Amino acid sequence: DIQMTQSPSSVSASVGDRVTITCRASQGISAWLAWYQQKPGKAPKLLIYEASNLQSGVPSRFSGGGSGTDFTLTIASLQPEDFATYYCQQAQSFPYTFGQGTKLEIK
Amino acid sequence: EVQLLESGGDLVQPGESLRLSCAASGFTFSSYATSWVRQAPGKGLEWVSAITASGDSTFYADSVRGRFTISRDNTKNTLYLQMNSLRVEDTAVYYCAKLRGRSYGNLDYWGQGTLVTASS
Repeated sequence: DIQMTQSPSSVSASVGDRVTITCRASQGISAWLAWYQQKPGKAPKLLIYEASNLQSGVPSRFSGGGSGTDFTLTIASLQPEDFATYYCQQAQSFPYTFGQGTKLEIK
Repeated sequence: EVQLLESGGDLVQPGESLRLSCAASGFTFSSYATSWVRQAPGKGLEWVSAITASGDSTFYADSVRGRFTISRDNTKNTLYLQMNSLRVEDTAVYYCAKLRGRSYGNLDYWGQGTLVTASS
């Protein structure tokens, strides 16, 4: 199985900050990487698919990059509604696997 | 508007069975693979199972293989998860999700989840 490792596990930041979260796959997954945002008590929401494609309706301050084993999610200027937990997920092969999550908290 | 509505979650005793359903609307259900993902209380996301658009191929996490069965009825636009021999560690919110492709892809739409609790 492909293991996904996110870093950091948690980060504190302020409104307006630029934040980058990284995700590393245990083997190459080409661009089959997605990023999801989850708020407490809610279902996950797709932000980025296939490493760098912005899902419809997602603000342009979110961007994704990378290929192979190393990926990033960047939020250009944090807004209050962005404080949540973020997960990466590989879709290169079954069983699909998620990273352990990164909790983005208000400083 | 794409909608996925799960149902069937309940409190059961370890060893018992349960069937979850997910009613889909707002897209051509028979054209997309679908999946189940779960989240134990206070924990991260765990992918559980997936089924291709036609239903001819199924995939499972090692933790549920042999106990859970995924299926779909494209005439009813409904996804199912039959869960047998439930364990305490199966306690979680179960989400159904649509994949972006017929056989694979990222999960672009999710339901609101249904809670399964296995406890004596």
